[in-house]
Order: sequence, then C-alpha cells, then structure tokens
Amino acid sequence: AQRVTQPEKLLSVFKGAPVELKCNYSYSGSPELFWYVQYSRQRLQLLLRHISRESIKGFTADLNKGETSFHLKKPFAQEEDSAMYYCARAYGGATNKLIFGTGTLLAVQP
Amino acid sequence: GAGVSQSPRYKVAKRGQDVALRCDPISGHVSLFWYQQALGQGPEFLTYFQNEAQLDKSGLPSDRFFAERPEGSVSTLKIQRTQQEDSAVYLCASSPNRAGGNQPQHFGDGTRLSIL
Repeated sequence: AQRVTQPEKLLSVFKGAPVELKCNYSYSGSPELFWYVQYSRQRLQLLLRHISRESIKGFTADLNKGETSFHLKKPFAQEEDSAMYYCARAYGGATNKLIFGTGTLLAVQP
Repeated sequence: GAGVSQSPRYKVAKRGQDVALRCDPISGHVSLFWYQQALGQGPEFLTYFQNEAQLDKSGLPSDRFFAERPEGSVSTLKIQRTQQEDSAVYLCASSPNRAGGNQPQHFGDGTRLSIL
C-alpha cells in the first residue's frame, strides 16, 4: 500500500531558526507530492506542490527519489509559520485521491 | 468567489442515529472528494465523484456510509446507524477538472461529527 510518513508529530523551533519538516513516501513510479498547511481555525490549504518547483512563503521542498523524501524547508522560521503541516501524495489512476501523512505541528517560539 | 462550503460545522448524534453531511463545492468544479480525519491523524480518503458519477468508493469503511452527488454539484455524505468510531472530522474537497494530472484540491472547513 502507498504510504506517506511524517516521523515528527511536533517540531518546536525559535524564530529565525531553520526549519525542516520531514516527509517520506513509499516508492511507486513517479509520485505527485504536495504539502498542505492548516493554520489555527482555518481550513486545510495547499502550500506547495513538487511539480511547480516554486517557493511559497519562503518554503521549498525538493523531491529526492533516491531517498523517497519530500522534506519541507525554510531557512528562517517566522511566528506566523506556526501551523499543522501535512505531506500528501496523489494516488493517481482514475481518481487522483490524496494520501496524507499524519501531520507535523510546527511551533515557532518568539 | 466562495470556497468549498460544508454544513453543519458541528454535529452531535446519539449512537444508532442517521446523519447527513452536506458539501457545496466551488462552482464548476468537476471533481469532488470526501475524506475522514480522526483525531491526531491525517485525512483519509473515503470517496470520489466526477460530476454525478461516483467513480471510487473504496475508502468507505462500511455499507453504513453512503454518498451521492445527483446533479453533479452539491454532495451529501450519509452515515446510517452511527457508531462511536464514526466520530471524526469529515472533509470535502473539490478540484476544477477530471482527476489526473497535478491538480490541487480545495478543502472545506469540515464537519466535526461526535457520536455519543
């Protein structure tokens, strides 16, 4: 079965420190990978997707097929980055349903 | 424009009751997904519609769960004879086109269902 693993339930850093949220996926062909974010009292929203290779709010994520990883990084954390982050891959086929990891809560301390 | 709208936001029901959860996708979106999110977990896929056709219901946990989208817009997720393990947040998401390709899904706020 296809799986997405986020090993850390909680990541606490100080403002200005670098951030890396880990995500690994089970290997299967060419994955379509996403990071979704949920800020307090807001809905789940797309942060970035690997195919667009863009940087959103200072975050980047590089697909490493050799390590089957798609870690989310930001060089300098801001307090407003505090949120729940979910890594997801599209299952593909007829539905393109998403398979999510269990999420990592990022807490940025002042 | 308006995003995905779900109602009710909160639903409390007694075990054994039937519940119905509504999703209004973004206007014109072809694809509609339902997910179930248990406490401390990521969302898990339940079912998928392309317009009015339910193309994938592989994630529905039992035959007590039923979903429909009769006119290809609004969708309803119905749970019959609810049980305590049905307590979760139910998320609806839509995307513009047919499934396939790297299309982001737009999520609603979810319905938090509590079964007593």
